[in-house]
Amino acid sequence: SQQGEEDPQALSIQEGENATMNCSYKTSINNLQWYRQNSGRGLVHLILIRSNEREKHSGRLRVTLDTSKKSSSLLITASRAADTASYFCATDDLVNKFYFGSGTKLNVKP
Amino acid sequence: KAGVTQTPRYLIKTRGQQVTLSCSPISGHRSVSWYQQTPGQGLQFLFEYFSETQRNKGNFPGRFSGRQFSNSRSEMNVSTLELGDSALYLCASSLAWRDTQYFGPGTRLTVL
Repeated sequence: SQQGEEDPQALSIQEGENATMNCSYKTSINNLQWYRQNSGRGLVHLILIRSNEREKHSGRLRVTLDTSKKSSSLLITASRAADTASYFCATDDLVNKFYFGSGTKLNVKP
Repeated sequence: KAGVTQTPRYLIKTRGQQVTLSCSPISGHRSVSWYQQTPGQGLQFLFEYFSETQRNKGNFPGRFSGRQFSNSRSEMNVSTLELGDSALYLCASSLAWRDTQYFGPGTRLTVL
C-alpha cells in the first residue's frame, strides 16, 4: 500500500470480547479515519481523529493516534456478531492525498 | 436525508468499450470523490471534485476521467476498458473539502 498497512489482516473473536486493529502509515497526515465495510458493499464512516488529537471515543469504539509512531488503533469493546466486517483506516496526508489501508477482516462468532 | 446514490449498481461491459458511472451526493454536500476497490489493490483514490473543479487526482491513467456538475452530481468515465478495470467503484461525498466522507453502495463493473 502507498500509505497504510493494517494489522492483523484477519481477526476472529467470540461475541463479547474486545477487538483491536492497528494501522500504520508512512507520511505526515492531517487526519485519520476508520471505516467499516460489510461484504463488498459501501463503506460506513466510523470515526475521524485529527493529527492534534490522541484519543477519541464513539460508543463502543475507541481510537488512538500516535503521530510520532505514525500509527493508530481501533478498539471495539464488547463485540457483537453484527460487528463482523472489514475495517479500514484512511489517511489524509499533507498534500491532500487520501489513502486507505489494506483492511482487517473481523469475524465475531456468536 | 438521503444518502449517496450511485447508478447503475451493476454493469457488464466488454474490453474496448467505455462506461459512465453516476453519483448523486448527499443534499448540500459539495465535494465528491471516487475510489476503485479491487481484491488485489484494495481501495485506491481516483479523483476528487469540489465545486465543479477537480481538486486532486490519484495515480490512474488518462482513460479514467470525471466531472462534477453545478448541482454537485458527479460522473466518472472510463474509456477503452481493460479486464483489469473490473472493480467496485465507490463514490463518496462530503460537506466541505477534506471533511468526513460518506460513501455510496458502489457500482460493480465487470469487464469481459
